[in-house]
This record gives sequence, C-alpha cells and structure tokens, in this order.
Amino acid sequence: GAVVSQHPSRVICKSGTSVKIECRSLDFQATTMFWYRQFPKQSLMLMATSNEGSKATYEQGVEKDKFLINHASLTLSTLTVTSAHPEDSSFYICSARDPGGGQFYEQYFGPGTRLTVT
Amino acid sequence: KNEVEQSPQNLTAQEGEFITINCSYSVGISALHWLQQHPGGGIVSLFMLSSGKKKHGRLIATINIQEKHSSLHITASHPRDSAVYICALPGGATNKLIFGTGTLLAVQP
Repeated sequence: GAVVSQHPSRVICKSGTSVKIECRSLDFQATTMFWYRQFPKQSLMLMATSNEGSKATYEQGVEKDKFLINHASLTLSTLTVTSAHPEDSSFYICSARDPGGGQFYEQYFGPGTRLTVT
Repeated sequence: KNEVEQSPQNLTAQEGEFITINCSYSVGISALHWLQQHPGGGIVSLFMLSSGKKKHGRLIATINIQEKHSSLHITASHPRDSAVYICALPGGATNKLIFGTGTLLAVQP
C-alpha cells in the first residue's frame, strides 16, 4: 500500500525555538495532506488541510502564524511550529490523500512525530 | 450526540478470543476508515470500506450503510493486537476525517 513518511520521528526543542516537521508521500502524489495533533489519551484533532500550491486551510482555534504549513510539491508538506512552548508538546501526525479515483479517496497516515518542548 | 460513537471504549480479552468493536455514526458517508494506533506509535490504516465486508488476515470489517453502523472483528486475538482502534469518516468537501473516540483493546496472554 501507499507509504507516508514523517521526519523527524521525535524531536526535543527548547522553548522559543522553531521546529519543522516533514511529511512525504513516497509512492503517490498527494494534492491534499492533513495535519493532526494528538494529546495523551485523546483523539486526533485536525489542525489544518494542506493543499499543494495554495494556502493551507486551518481549523478553528489553530493559529496559522504559529503553525506554518507549506505544501510546495505533490509529495511534501511541512509543518513548522514557531516559537514553541511546552504546551505545544504533542504527537503530530500527517496523512496524505491519494486521489485514486472511484467513489472515495484513500488517506494514508504517517508514523507521527513526537514533539517535546522543554 | 457525537457524530461518531464507538463501543466499547475499553476491552480486555484473553488470547484467542473473537473480538468485535462497533462504530455508529449519524452523518451520511461515502466510506469509513478503521485505524489502528499502538501505544506511542503512529496510525495504521486497516480498512477503508463503503459497503459489505472486507477481510485482511484475522481482521474483518463490515459496514451497513442503511443502519449507519460498522464493525471491526478480530479472530483468534493475540497480545500484539493490543492497540487503540479508531473508526473515522471522511466528511466535507476535502474529505477531512471525523474520528470516533477509539476503543482501547488489551489482549492478555
């Protein structure tokens, strides 16, 4: 099946610094990618929808200036957490939509990135 | 009422048992995902189905669109099946997913 990778898998950064997380679709072109955040023992929460070549669409309550998303190519979307704070510590997961046609679209998930802000 | 409800929330089983996890939803959908998340790990997509039944190894997923209900079955359960199982529905123009609350499964040897 289709593969989505994320890098890094784990990152620890100091408060006030910025961290970039990459999401790549390895064997298909993803016009749309999704970024999720998951706090411990909670469900995934959609942060934003990343569209290749256009601005991301952010969910209500997600600061677009803090969580910068760039979808510069059909296989790569990046999420940059700017001026990170300890409360940004979370598990960040991306998924990529495979426009495979048919009645619905497949979504494939990356392995996630564990961010710890100290 | 949540758009997607799963039951049970927690499930403990003995190795070898047949397991069923249920998902009921209130919105019209074109397809439904079953996802697996291991502790501290990423998400694995198990199934995406729009009708009938799909089988992969010891896993079986069924869906009844009219009744707005789906089930995930695990036959001959094994401790390595211990994980959170999540049903999710694509919704909206971009097919962003609406997630169920998840079912925490623990299979004991």
